[in-house]
Parts: sequence; C-alpha cells; structure tokens
Amino acid sequence: DGGITQSPKYLFRKEGQNVTLSCEQNLNHDAMYWYRQDPGQGLRLIYYSQIVNDFQKGDIAEGYSVSREKKESFPLTVTSAQKNPTAFYLCASTTVNTGELFFGEGSRLTVL
Amino acid sequence: ELKVEQNPLFLSMQEGKNYTIYCNYSTTSDRLYWYRQDPGKSLESLFVLLSNGAVKQEGRLMASLDTKARLSTLHITAAVHDLSATYFCAEQNTGTASKLTFGTGTRLQVTL
Repeated sequence: DGGITQSPKYLFRKEGQNVTLSCEQNLNHDAMYWYRQDPGQGLRLIYYSQIVNDFQKGDIAEGYSVSREKKESFPLTVTSAQKNPTAFYLCASTTVNTGELFFGEGSRLTVL
Repeated sequence: ELKVEQNPLFLSMQEGKNYTIYCNYSTTSDRLYWYRQDPGKSLESLFVLLSNGAVKQEGRLMASLDTKARLSTLHITAAVHDLSATYFCAEQNTGTASKLTFGTGTRLQVTL
C-alpha cells in the first residue's frame, strides 16, 4: 500500500542532543514537507522540498535541518539549537499537479 | 503575511444540533482544505474546495467556499458523538510550492 511512513512514533531526547526523524513515501510524490504542531495549535511549516537535492525554509526553520538525497526520503534533524523542540512533527507529501497534501502518522518528540 | 483564522476555537454542542465553523483567510488562494484530527493522531483530509461557490458534502459535514469574501464554512448537521475532533482549515496558493497555511483549529466536542 502506498503511503507516508514516519519513524519513530515516539522519541525522547536529552537537552543538547540532536535527533533525526525519518519520513519515507512510496507515492512517487515530488514535494515533501515538515510541519510542527504544538498542543492546542495549528501546524507550522518547518522546511519543504519540491525536488531532489533542493529544499527551502518554512516559517520556523531555525534549529532544524533537512536533506533530500532521494525522492522518497526527507529526514528532519532537530538540533540542539532548537530551544523548544518538544512537539508533534508531521511529514507530508504531494504531487505538483494535484497539490493535495497527504500526511504521515506523525512523530512525537519529548525533550527530557 | 498569510493568515488563516478560525472561529470558534472551541465548540461544545449537543447531539442532534446544527452548527457552523468559520474560516477566514487573508490572501487570494487557489484552494481551501478542511482536515480532521483526532487526539494524538495525524490529519485526515475531509474536503478540497477549488473554486468560488464550491460546495462539498460528506455525511453530516458540508463545506463551502466564498473566495470573494475569503471565507469558508464547515457546517455540521445533526451532530453525533463520533464527530468530536479538532477541525482545521488550510489555504493553499499553488504558486508558492503548494504550501498549506493552517488555521488554529476548532475543537469540537459533541455531548450525548
């Protein structure tokens, strides 16, 4: 079945550590996105990528980094520079033609 | 700056009642989306509204779009407990890499 797989589902991190969240899609979608959701709030865009080896900052990119070496994969690294990393992280993808975003199941990061 | 405002932010309603959630957005957008989110879960796509005057219905939910007023509505008819969730609207300008800008969400609680 086609879809978007995020891992891990839950992640605990000590302060000062970098962590990487995985996002893989087998939908043959061109564009991929990372969003962050804080409790009781909407989603905010961190980074997005429209093609392999290219990506752009979203509204809240500080403290995060990404790579897009393969069409199927768009990992997000939460660095120690991110001051408040505890949140729910959602990966999404879409084709250029349709524009409709499909979301993964999310990764919940907690900083201890 | 793109801005999407939803109201109300919280809605408690009895089963069998009708209500409307409002979504105002700030720019000329190509598309308007409605998503549902259950607690701790990802987003589920409900409706995609592509043009002025578009109306879509699924079960007890009906969404409409007025691009001149920059307003979308999500109408709930004869609410049932299973509709309890958080509902998000999101606008998309396909000229900006298909990014979605989300509203803050409306948390709907349907009581028996």
